[in-house]
Amino acid sequence: GENVEQHPSTLSVQEGDSAVIKCTYSDSASNYFPWYKQELGKRPQLIIDIRSNVGEKKDQRIAVTLNKTAKHFSLHITETQPEDSAVYFCAASSGGNKLTFGGGTRVLVKP
Amino acid sequence: NAGVTQTPKFRVLKTGQSMTLLCAQDMNHEYMYWYRQDPGMGLRLIHYSVGEGTTAKGEVPDGYNVSRLKKQNFLLGLESAAPSQTSVYFCASSLGHEAFFGQGTRLTVV
Repeated sequence: GENVEQHPSTLSVQEGDSAVIKCTYSDSASNYFPWYKQELGKRPQLIIDIRSNVGEKKDQRIAVTLNKTAKHFSLHITETQPEDSAVYFCAASSGGNKLTFGGGTRVLVKP
Repeated sequence: NAGVTQTPKFRVLKTGQSMTLLCAQDMNHEYMYWYRQDPGMGLRLIHYSVGEGTTAKGEVPDGYNVSRLKKQNFLLGLESAAPSQTSVYFCASSLGHEAFFGQGTRLTVV
């Protein structure tokens, strides 16, 4: 089955700096890659996703890039703000709508 | 719309006790899932369902059973709880790829 590795496990950045989280996946058939944000004590919520026929996608301060050849994808957050502090999860799906998640990255934005 | 609702929100069980977690969605989604969340291990799929009357095993199914008798409900059962099942449990549903999560159930087995 699919295996998703996520790095780093924790990330501390100064407010205004950029944050980058990287994920690798094992199943070359995977074609959908979402990112979820989970604030403390809350449920995970989708913030951005990318499909295998696209190399990059942006939504305001967040962007995701995908390298299918290398089987890795990344989340980029620019101009970080305190409200970006949360746990971020990457995931991959190879069909059937079943998601395999990475281990999560705890992001702390220091004011 | 309530979205995805889980019952209960918190529970403490003694080793060997049984319980059922209820997940209800009002979005008419075909797919439903049960995940467990443990520190540093992300969300791991326990069981899932691709439609009413169907269930399938996920990554970590041992010690759990599920049922999907109605499209809107997905039940997760623990027959004989063990301390290793202490975790936060999330239910999710989807129509396409995007999964919508419930608020979670914090289960402690002592």
